[in-house]
Amino acid sequence: EIVLTQSPGTLSLSPGERVTLSCRASQSVSNTYLAWYQQKPGQAPRLLIYGASSRATGIPDRFSGSGSGTDFTLTISRLAPEDSAVYYCQQYGSSPWTFGQGTKVEIK
Amino acid sequence: EVQLVESGGGLVQPGGSLRLSCTASGFTFSSYWLHWVRQPPGKGLVWVSRINGDGTSTNYADSVKGRFTISRDNAKNTLYLEMNSLRDEDTAVYYCARGVTVATVTPWNYWGQGTLVTVSS
Repeated sequence: EIVLTQSPGTLSLSPGERVTLSCRASQSVSNTYLAWYQQKPGQAPRLLIYGASSRATGIPDRFSGSGSGTDFTLTISRLAPEDSAVYYCQQYGSSPWTFGQGTKVEIK
Repeated sequence: EVQLVESGGGLVQPGGSLRLSCTASGFTFSSYWLHWVRQPPGKGLVWVSRINGDGTSTNYADSVKGRFTISRDNAKNTLYLEMNSLRDEDTAVYYCARGVTVATVTPWNYWGQGTLVTVSS
């Protein structure tokens, strides 16, 4: 099983700031089958990034993903108030499909 | 418009059983792999099970193997999760999810709203 470790656990930043979230895998993620999801309280997760760096349909271009192998990053170039949420990375290349424990982004 | 609507959650005693349903619309149901994902209260996302389009191939997380059964009725556009021998640690919101494409390997861009299962005496 691929274990995904996200850091930091919580971030508190002001609108307009740049946000960098990290996701480290216990073994290489095949073919960059790495996705990022955003989840707001009481809502289902929303797909942001897949294939490590491709934005899902309708996702603002302030969200970007990068990385390969075991180290991946989600960047929010200019934090907006509506970006307050928990962000999860997920590998979907091998069973069992696994998620990181999440990073909570708070807006100051 | 793609829609996934879960139902069947509720309060059940440890050792009990429950069947969840996920009714789909807006796409060719039989073409897609479908997944169940759960989220314990205040915690992260955990994949539970998946099934292929014609129901002939299934996978389970080790934590539910032998207790949960995933199935589907393509005539009714409905996905099921039969849960037996329920434990306290099965308490969670259960989501059904569909992939971006019909491929076996695909992230999930359609999710239901979730249904809460509470296992407690």
